[in-house]
Amino acid sequence: GQNIDQPTEMTATEGAIVQINCTYQTSGFNGLFWYQQHAGEAPTFLSYNVLDGLEEKGRFSSFLSRSKGYSYLLLKELQMKDSASYLCGPRDDYKLSFGAGTTVTVRA
Amino acid sequence: ETGVTQSPTHLIKTRGQQVTLRCSSQSGHNTVSWYQQALGQGPQFIFQYYREEENGRGNFPPRFSGLQFPNYSSELNVNALELDDSALYLCASSLADSTRFNEQFFGPGTRLTVL
Repeated sequence: GQNIDQPTEMTATEGAIVQINCTYQTSGFNGLFWYQQHAGEAPTFLSYNVLDGLEEKGRFSSFLSRSKGYSYLLLKELQMKDSASYLCGPRDDYKLSFGAGTTVTVRA
Repeated sequence: ETGVTQSPTHLIKTRGQQVTLRCSSQSGHNTVSWYQQALGQGPQFIFQYYREEENGRGNFPPRFSGLQFPNYSSELNVNALELDDSALYLCASSLADSTRFNEQFFGPGTRLTVL
């Protein structure tokens, strides 16, 4: 089975940095996705890690440690539009599992 | 390039009824996955279709079934609806042979309410 843990909520101010941690236990592993989901909208792709280490893409970075079953998403220079739910999704072959998501609220 | 579309946007049914939800994949994609997202939860994998055949299934009972058509559009059918089936149903399409890590593109979802 799958067990995916991430914090429920996080709050930060505009311009700050926030790190969303995710731990997972899955029967198989082929990589880990992060998706962003604004309220009432579809999830949109942010990043994908298949090897250990840090992947940087603009203001967003994602880190993976396969041996620890751990990933984090780093959001830098926070903007109001970054207020959303962030979903951690380990992939096992064809199957993508998601955690409950972390709701990030950015305050002015 | 046309994105993933779903219909209807919202739907209200009563217990015991049957429902069909529809998804049109992004142009050129050959794989579609369906997810159920309850309020406050992450999407839960229902099943995936690849080239018109079921490619894998999550922990959902047989009353959840699907079809994928030659044009890669697809349907999710749910029989004998239960109150707990109330959720947002998302479909996501991808290109299985892509080098882009099988990134899944999600549709806007269908909000199903079972009374």
